[in-house]
Amino acid sequence: ETGVTQSPTHLIKTRGQQVTLRCSSQSGHNTVSWYQQALGQGPQFIFQYYREEENGRGNFPPRFSGLQFPNYSSELNVNALELDDSALYLCASSTSRQGRSYNEQFFGPGTRLTVL
Amino acid sequence: AQRVTQPEKLLSVFKGAPVELKCNYSYSGSPELFWYVQYSRQRLQLLLRHISRESIKGFTADLNKGETSFHLKKPFAQEEDSAMYYCALSGGYQKVTFGIGTKLQVIP
Repeated sequence: ETGVTQSPTHLIKTRGQQVTLRCSSQSGHNTVSWYQQALGQGPQFIFQYYREEENGRGNFPPRFSGLQFPNYSSELNVNALELDDSALYLCASSTSRQGRSYNEQFFGPGTRLTVL
Repeated sequence: AQRVTQPEKLLSVFKGAPVELKCNYSYSGSPELFWYVQYSRQRLQLLLRHISRESIKGFTADLNKGETSFHLKKPFAQEEDSAMYYCALSGGYQKVTFGIGTKLQVIP
């Protein structure tokens, strides 16, 4: 059984560009959540995907979007990057039934995004 | 709105001393509370959740609905407890709200 993996590890972009971050969920997990963790802060919930559909969203603008694939892997896309988007982006997978995810979330190592 | 407050960014204690990491929450319904831990160079991982009522690595946490608190306690701190601790709340379905985190430093 493999754990949650994320790619790339680090990424540097310039303001206005677009970025795609990837996450492979743990074997057997059907739910993926994405978090943004700014320096010195706790993780902030961006959104969650369950069975390939968005299943809840935090206070992030529409330029943050995502996808979940049939194998339950996921992508986070951010358009029109801003300097404040610089952060560690965490992916977490879990199991859910009917979208209610009270089960333990297993986190990936994160992708460090720097926007210049 | 749901909110988690961890008032201390850094807590330093001596080895063998008791530890209490404070967490207060704001939520109108019945939340589920968690403590997550991140050791140096490791991933964020679940330490315990209030519905389990377990003691993990000597840590316990009791949900006090009257005081809206979920403080994490351990009677005798060990050096290996040094880590970043996050209190988190799930108010329903999808959204998990994390606190800002408390860095626990156990002094040998």
